[in-house]
Amino acid sequence: EVQLVESGGGLVQPGGSLRLSCSASGFTFSPLWMHWVRQAPGEGLVWMSRITGDGTVTTYADSVRGRFTISRDNAKSTLYLQMNSLRVEDTAVYYCVRGGIDTELDYWGRGTLVTVSS
Amino acid sequence: DIVMTQTPLSSPVTLGQPASISCRSSESLVHSNGKTYLNWLQQRPGQPPRLLIYKISNRFSGVPDRFSGSGAGTDFTLKISRVEAEDVGVYYCTQGKQFPYTFGQGTKLEI
Repeated sequence: EVQLVESGGGLVQPGGSLRLSCSASGFTFSPLWMHWVRQAPGEGLVWMSRITGDGTVTTYADSVRGRFTISRDNAKSTLYLQMNSLRVEDTAVYYCVRGGIDTELDYWGRGTLVTVSS
Repeated sequence: DIVMTQTPLSSPVTLGQPASISCRSSESLVHSNGKTYLNWLQQRPGQPPRLLIYKISNRFSGVPDRFSGSGAGTDFTLKISRVEAEDVGVYYCTQGKQFPYTFGQGTKLEI
């Protein structure tokens, strides 16, 4: 069974940093792209970032480029999102999502809540 | 960025009756490889999203056959043949043709 479990969310002040983790199991992690998608309270889904299976290519939404860094450790089947210079508008549930071949955003974790507030 | 526009944004439905959601993209979703990366997601209240349909019309693992997808180019439709109580939630179309991936605003299906 495919499982994605996010952790690392919490309350942080504006300008602060946080690192999210996503532990993957139930599938072969290394070949597949992985994504982060966020959802502000009561709002829709917004794609944030993607990383290729070997970790060499990363892509970001304009709103987080230069502040967020996606990375992965294939030996640990773990995806990361380093978030710096956090803003109030970054408050959201952050989902770890598997990029299946042809199926794209096929498996989603339960999400971790990040609250940016003073 | 490709803009995804869904209609309606809210859909009151009757159990056992059909329902339909439309999604239009601001440009063709046909990739250079010939595939069309248009997916449909379901988000039940308090749950993470779940993939229902990928590449326009392919049901994902475990998805009931009352869900079907159709369309081409820029116009797509999700249909539920007979709505059940567990289908309540928000439905999103999403494109995976190019970055940034984008989502429709969501359509709330309510009984």
